[in-house]
Order: sequence, then structure tokens, then C-alpha cells
Amino acid sequence: QSVLTQPPSVSEALRQRVTISCSGSSSNIGNNAVNWYQQLPGKAPKLLIYYDDLLPSGVSDRFSGSKSGTSASLAISGLQSEDEADYYCSAWDDSLNAVVFGGGTKLTVL
Amino acid sequence: EVQLVESGGGLVKPGGSLRLSCAASGFTFSAYPMNWVRQSPERGLEWVSSISSSSFYIYYADSVQGRFTISRDNTKNSLYLQMSSLRADDTAVYYCARDQDTNNWPPVFDSWGQGTLVTVSS
Repeated sequence: QSVLTQPPSVSEALRQRVTISCSGSSSNIGNNAVNWYQQLPGKAPKLLIYYDDLLPSGVSDRFSGSKSGTSASLAISGLQSEDEADYYCSAWDDSLNAVVFGGGTKLTVL
Repeated sequence: EVQLVESGGGLVKPGGSLRLSCAASGFTFSAYPMNWVRQSPERGLEWVSSISSSSFYIYYADSVQGRFTISRDNTKNSLYLQMSSLRADDTAVYYCARDQDTNNWPPVFDSWGQGTLVTVSS
């Protein structure tokens, strides 16, 4: 059972927009920045969004992040087939004194 | 280009020990905090340990505290994870990950190695 809760899977059609939710608590998302990672099949995770809504250099602006209270969201617009991957949210947890991750969401592009 | 290459994984019996290494290149290794993160189907992604650039600050997840030791050698651009008293639930792919900022806490993992598989089984 992961500390941060994500839907196990989402699917959306090519060129459409999808959002992935990440639910936590006041000890993690509510008080600390959220980061998102993309993991393509058979690859290592890759930083996608940091500090809630910032894009690392080289990441497409089709990806965006937001946060409200104890929940965060990752949005992907103009879906492409290469976006099919697992997506993980992450944050520091003040109670556990640890970086915690969501269980991951598998995105299928139809 | 940032490159992180892990090595040292393998099959080990419960209670055994293993030392993982991570060779870094393409950036000023001595300036960046470094981390180990592991991934297994059962536990998902799990932060293991972090070490500051000078090794002054070291942090561990509760699940490995007292059993694992993180270290680094800035003269060799290398990060290490000494694992002992290994258990079946330590079975995972272990990733070496660089922190995004030279002076940052909590960590943001901006570059990852390809991972090395550790299997703990009799």
C-alpha cells in the first residue's frame, strides 16, 4: 500500500488530454513539493515535473503539473503513442522522514 | 551528458551481503548529492538512501536503517551502497539517482542509472 494514492491505470485517445491524480495527506503533499516521474517500458524513471509544476529542461510542454491541498495532478495534452508509460508521483513525508512514491499509473493511449 | 552506471547486483542468500557501485560521468560529481532508489513489483518505487556532496549528511529509509551503508568517493566519481543482513523483501532493481540541485533537500531525482538487479533468495 503506497503512501500516495494513484489510479492504477488510465486510458485516453490519441491527441486528447488526460489527467492523472495523486492523493496524499498533510504530512506529504499538503506540506511539500510534488514531483512526477515517467517510466517507459523497460527503462529507468525520468523526472517529468518538479516542485509541483516546473518542467525540467527538455521535457515537452504538453506535460503540466498542479497541486491543491493534499492532492496533485499531472496533465498530458495532445497525447502521443510514445506517452504510453507508467507515471509516478512523489513527495517528502514529514512524518515518515522519507521520500514517498505513489503506486504508479499506467497510461494507455488508444 | 550525465551518465550513471550501476554494478554489483546479483543473487545472494538471505542474511548475506552485497556492495553496489555507481560510476558517474558527464557532470561534477563532487558537487551533487546522490541517492539510491529501488523498485520491485511488490513495493513499487522506494527511496533507500541519500548522501550529501561532502558525505556530511546521510539519510536512510527505515526499512534499511542499520543494514545498509551509503558512501561515495569523489576522487573516483563513484557512489556505493553496502548492503548486509539482506532479506527477501530487499529484492529489487536498485537505481543510482542524482539530485537535481547541488544544495537541495528533500531530493529531486533528475538523472537515473539503468539499474542493477539484486535478488535475495536461498
